[in-house]
Amino acid sequence: GAVVSQHPSRVICKSGTSVKIECRSLDFQATTMFWYRQFPKQSLMLMATSNEGSKATYEQGVEKDKFLINHASLTLSTLTVTSAHPEDSSFYICSASDGRANTGELFFGEGSRLTVL
Amino acid sequence: KNQVEQSPQSLIILEGKNCTLQCNYTVSPFSNLRWYKQDTGRGPVSLTIMTFSENTKSNGRYTATLDADTKQSSLHITASQLSDSASYICVVSGWYNDYKLSFGAGTTVTVRA
Repeated sequence: GAVVSQHPSRVICKSGTSVKIECRSLDFQATTMFWYRQFPKQSLMLMATSNEGSKATYEQGVEKDKFLINHASLTLSTLTVTSAHPEDSSFYICSASDGRANTGELFFGEGSRLTVL
Repeated sequence: KNQVEQSPQSLIILEGKNCTLQCNYTVSPFSNLRWYKQDTGRGPVSLTIMTFSENTKSNGRYTATLDADTKQSSLHITASQLSDSASYICVVSGWYNDYKLSFGAGTTVTVRA
């Protein structure tokens, strides 16, 4: 089946630094990718929808200047957490669709655990 | 109010037993409903996806049902195994132009020997 790869799987950084997380669709082209945040024992919370070649669409309450999303190619989207603070520590997951997002199959990455000290 | 409600929030079952998870949704117009399994610290993995016209779909010991009229779905796990311990998430898609998906809060299943 299709695979979505996320990197890094774990990252620890100091407060104030920026962290970049990559999401790649390995064997299909993804015009749309999604970024989620998940707190312990809670379900996924959609942060933004990343569209190849255009600006990301952010969910209400998500700071676009804080969470920079770039979808430069059909196989790669990046999430950059800028000036990270301890409250940004979370599990970040991406997903990608091989077709229209609400009708095609949706594949998730393995997630990236961010810890901000 | 969340458009996808899952129940129970969590459950514990003995190995070898069956269990059924519920998902009720209000998303309309409806496109499809997906069930995912998420192991702790991992990304969700697709179990089933059903469109409006499908009533049941199986994937090994997992069987999902869908009643689009009552807007209800269930996921039945047969002969549970320890590896079934995970969170099960119901995701519903509507015919939105912005491809928005609605996520349930998930049901945490713990299988004990």
